[in-house]
Amino acid sequence: SQQGEEDPQALSIQEGENATMNCSYKTSINNLQWYRQNSGRGLVHLILIRSNEREKHSGRLRVTLDTSKKSSSLLITASRAADTASYFCATDAIGANSKLTFGKGITLSVRP
Amino acid sequence: GAVVSQHPSRVICKSGTSVKIECRSLDFQATTMFWYRQFPKKSLMLMATSNEGSKATYEQGVEKDKFLINHASLTLSTLTVTSAHPEDSSFYICSADRLAGGEYEQYFGPGTRLTVT
Repeated sequence: SQQGEEDPQALSIQEGENATMNCSYKTSINNLQWYRQNSGRGLVHLILIRSNEREKHSGRLRVTLDTSKKSSSLLITASRAADTASYFCATDAIGANSKLTFGKGITLSVRP
Repeated sequence: GAVVSQHPSRVICKSGTSVKIECRSLDFQATTMFWYRQFPKKSLMLMATSNEGSKATYEQGVEKDKFLINHASLTLSTLTVTSAHPEDSSFYICSADRLAGGEYEQYFGPGTRLTVT
């Protein structure tokens, strides 16, 4: 498996529900970032969590990081149809000179 | 702030021709820019790291003579796909490194859809 693998690969929920997406990685990191991509568009940076942080919030987003398990989760609360997109985690590994390694992504569908 | 643009957003070219894609950081200077390639329903694959004033660093398996990268200024990097073939058809995305809060964050352009016929 590769650095930055998300699960599930696809998630379908009803509007108003919470969506939880997980990411696992293999190497030691400086930080982990979550991105969103609408179909055929560029990436939008959602949140960055540093290796010495355990939890971070931004609006309806909550990110956790467990460096002992090399895993992170992204929680979107009170989901909206507009949250439908692909979500990627990306790791900035120690010694990688800012190069990000992306996971395969999770396709989130929020049904209105 | 931290806006990155790409031009063109879509391009269709004939097999054997070359195509240039521009990546610009509009409101900040970026000594480092990155070029990615993304296949449908797949993740981003880093192709190369573009350094202002020096040669690009290519990832393993990426042909540097096929994908020419030039980072002539702190706000512009270009990717030229030379002698394009249909298998080069893909979504190409650039990003630019920006120092924020003591850490470098990458800001992504909107992508360029290349179709080679």
